[in-house]
Amino acid sequence: AQTVTQSQPEMSVQEAETVTLSCTYDTSESDYYLFWYKQPPSRQMILVIRQEAYKQQNATENRFSVNFQKAAKSFSLKISDSQLGDAAMYFCAYRSEVLETSGSRLTFGEGTQLTVNP
Amino acid sequence: EPEVTQTPSHQVTQMGQEVILRCVPISNHLYFYWYRQILGQKVEFLVSFYNNEISEKSEIFDDQFSVERPDGSNFTLKIRSTKLEDSAMYFCASSLRLNTEAFFGQGTRLTVV
Repeated sequence: AQTVTQSQPEMSVQEAETVTLSCTYDTSESDYYLFWYKQPPSRQMILVIRQEAYKQQNATENRFSVNFQKAAKSFSLKISDSQLGDAAMYFCAYRSEVLETSGSRLTFGEGTQLTVNP
Repeated sequence: EPEVTQTPSHQVTQMGQEVILRCVPISNHLYFYWYRQILGQKVEFLVSFYNNEISEKSEIFDDQFSVERPDGSNFTLKIRSTKLEDSAMYFCASSLRLNTEAFFGQGTRLTVV
């Protein structure tokens, strides 16, 4: 079974600065997807960014980018120019490559609570 | 922008009672999911649903749980006889296809007393 580990329960960053959230995972599969979800105080889960394992290029969405190291099974999230609205719980998640009806589940890490200081 | 809608936002129920959590997935999505998050813990997969049947379920999803798509828009999670440990945030999600992003609802906080 796949596992996802986020070793930083809490992180803080100054507004406008850059912060990196860590995520490692364990899998024997070669094809899979990785995600970062944001959960603000409203508790809704919002997709931040997605990475396909077969792609060597790191995904980027505006101020959010990832450092995907497949061999090391590492998937960190970098937030540049941090804003107050970035404060939230961030979850790393894994999903298998879909074969027929298998692999639909997301496996989440424990989460990292990000505080943005003005 | 289309979104997944869950009702109610908060439900309090007595232990042993049945509860139904409701979700309206995004209208053209074909795959539906339930996840739960016990306070302070990981988000955990419960079940996925496609073509009017369960396609995958976790070990958490035992006989006390059931899902249904009673009409063309709603997707429900029923807990037959609630236990204190069922208290959690329950998230519904939907995706267009199996290999596309899952969009989550805002969650239903279930409190069992």
